Parts: sequence; C-alpha cells; structure tokens
Amino acid sequence: EVQLVESGGGLVQPGRSLKLSCAASGFTFSNYYMAWVRQAPKKGLEWVATISTSGSRTYYPDSVKGRFTISRDNAKSSLYLQMNSLKSEDTATYYCARVWELGIFDYWGQGVMVTVSS
Amino acid sequence: DTVLTQSPALAVSPGERVSISCRASEGVNSYMHWYQQKPGQQPKLLIYKASNLASGVPARFSGSGSGTDFTLTIDPVEADDTATYFCQQSWNDPTFGGGTKLELK
Repeated sequence: EVQLVESGGGLVQPGRSLKLSCAASGFTFSNYYMAWVRQAPKKGLEWVATISTSGSRTYYPDSVKGRFTISRDNAKSSLYLQMNSLKSEDTATYYCARVWELGIFDYWGQGVMVTVSS
Repeated sequence: DTVLTQSPALAVSPGERVSISCRASEGVNSYMHWYQQKPGQQPKLLIYKASNLASGVPARFSGSGSGTDFTLTIDPVEADDTATYFCQQSWNDPTFGGGTKLELK
C-alpha cells in the first residue's frame, strides 16, 4: 500500500524558514517523480514543486521560485521542501504527492499545515 | 498559466446523473485529470487523461472531452459522493480548477 506521510509543519513568522518532510513507503520511491501541492484554507489546489527521479531536475511556479527548494533522498525514501522567506500567502496545507506519467498526482499524503503569521 | 474554470457548486438528488464541467484557457490535449476531495481529507485521483478510471474507482464515475472542454460524470450519484471535485491539467505546468462542490438534496 502506497503511503505518504508529511511532517514539519507549524506556525512560523513572516520572513523565516521551514522545512517539510515526506516519508514514502509501499512503492519504489526512486522510480517516481514527486511533488508538493498546497491548499490555502477554504481555497483550491496549487502546484508548488516537482522533482525528477534522481533529483537532478526541479520545477517550480513563479509564486515560489527562488524561495522554495524541493529535494529528495532516495536512500531514505524521503521528499523535502525547504521554504525560505515565507509570506502570509504561503499559509496552507501542504501535500506530498507521487507523480505518475505526465503530471498525474496519483497518490497524496494526508497533508501538513503551515501557518505564516506574526 | 493554463487557467481551468469550473462551476462553483451543484446540488443533485441521489440516483440522478450529474455532469461537472471544466474549461481550459488553452488546449491541453487529453492531459486532464479529475480528483475528489472530501472534507478534511486529501484529494483522491478519479479520472486520468480525460477518460481513464483510476484504480479502485467505481464505474459510476466517467470522464470525457479533449482540447479545452472536459466533463466528469457521476451516474448514478450516491450520498457518499458529497465532495469537492477538482480538474487538473498537466499538458503545461500543472494547474487546477477552482473546484466544484457537489451537494446532495
């Protein structure tokens, strides 16, 4: 059974940093692209980052480019999201998702809440 | 960015057929996918590449469309289908529709 378990969320002040983690199990982690998707309270879904199987290629939307960094450790079957210079508009539930074929998010974690507030 | 537009809400009675639409601001070939999100839960993949049923999803769900106009159909609707449904394209950088909240009468 595919499982994705996020951790590392919490309350952080604007301008500070936070690192999220996602522990994967139930599949061969190194064979899949992985991604982060977020959802602001009572809002829709927004793609945040994608990383290739080896970690050599990363992709971001303009809203987080230069502030967020996605990475992975295939030996530990773990995905990470380093978030710097956080803004109030980054407040959201962050989901770790497995990427299947061309950009299909076929499995999602339960999500972790990040609140950016002073 | 490819903008996906969905109607915000629908209300139907159990046993009826419902169609949820998603219109893309530019062509996305068949790279449109649908997700179901129940309150307090993570999204779940229902349909991929416009018309393919994801593993374990009941055959009451179906998808159609290509280019810019896509439809998710549930027939018949059951009480457990109360949820928000999101479309997502992956022809360009991934974007999601705003979601359609399905309520049962």
